[in-house]
Amino acid sequence: SQQGEEDPQALSIQEGENATMNCSYKTSINNLQWYRQNSGRGLVHLILIRSNEREKHSGRLRVTLDTSKKSSSLLITASRAADTASYFCATDGNNDMRFGAGTRLTVKP
Amino acid sequence: SQTIHQWPATLVQPVGSPLSLECTVEGTSNPNLYWYRQAAGRGLQLLFYSVGIGQISSEVPQNLSASRPQDRQFILSSKKLLLSDSGFYLCAWSPRGLTGNSPLHFGNGTRLTVT
Repeated sequence: SQQGEEDPQALSIQEGENATMNCSYKTSINNLQWYRQNSGRGLVHLILIRSNEREKHSGRLRVTLDTSKKSSSLLITASRAADTASYFCATDGNNDMRFGAGTRLTVKP
Repeated sequence: SQTIHQWPATLVQPVGSPLSLECTVEGTSNPNLYWYRQAAGRGLQLLFYSVGIGQISSEVPQNLSASRPQDRQFILSSKKLLLSDSGFYLCAWSPRGLTGNSPLHFGNGTRLTVT
């Protein structure tokens, strides 16, 4: 069963704007990961944040984690048309990662 | 470097026919292996995972089975496909150890259409 739930389900922005996607989960976690999926392709890992971390950066990506609220956010700054994809959060379960339904991001040139 | 191969990329099969999807990993040993299914516009549903040769765990009752005949080979099978088996199947691997401590590495997926 799915663990994380992303919000919004779809997001459309102009190139250069920032995109923020949120993820909520239900049970305690050790780690939370964010993935990207281009249409018809496999998922690509973006960033992993541990439960004792509050914020992590990777290039134009910024991830926050609030374990008290059981939520995480992914911020993509200065978006580009190439950032158009679906973004998923995933939390660690028993021997597997549990994925949400994703946020479909469209960046218009 | 590690790579994961999954094939075929697309497959159209009639109802009642058998299925075999194969996934192999190169460049690593003793990986955890996973089969996920993704319905159109949806998230991923874990089907099977394996922590070693011959060790398969199933998450949900279904028409599918999995096998791991070699350390870096993971096979998804069905004896008789159902229409509901249509979907996008993804194989993934992660280093041996606690799940979640390392990223999952995905193959490019197989688009299965059962007609």
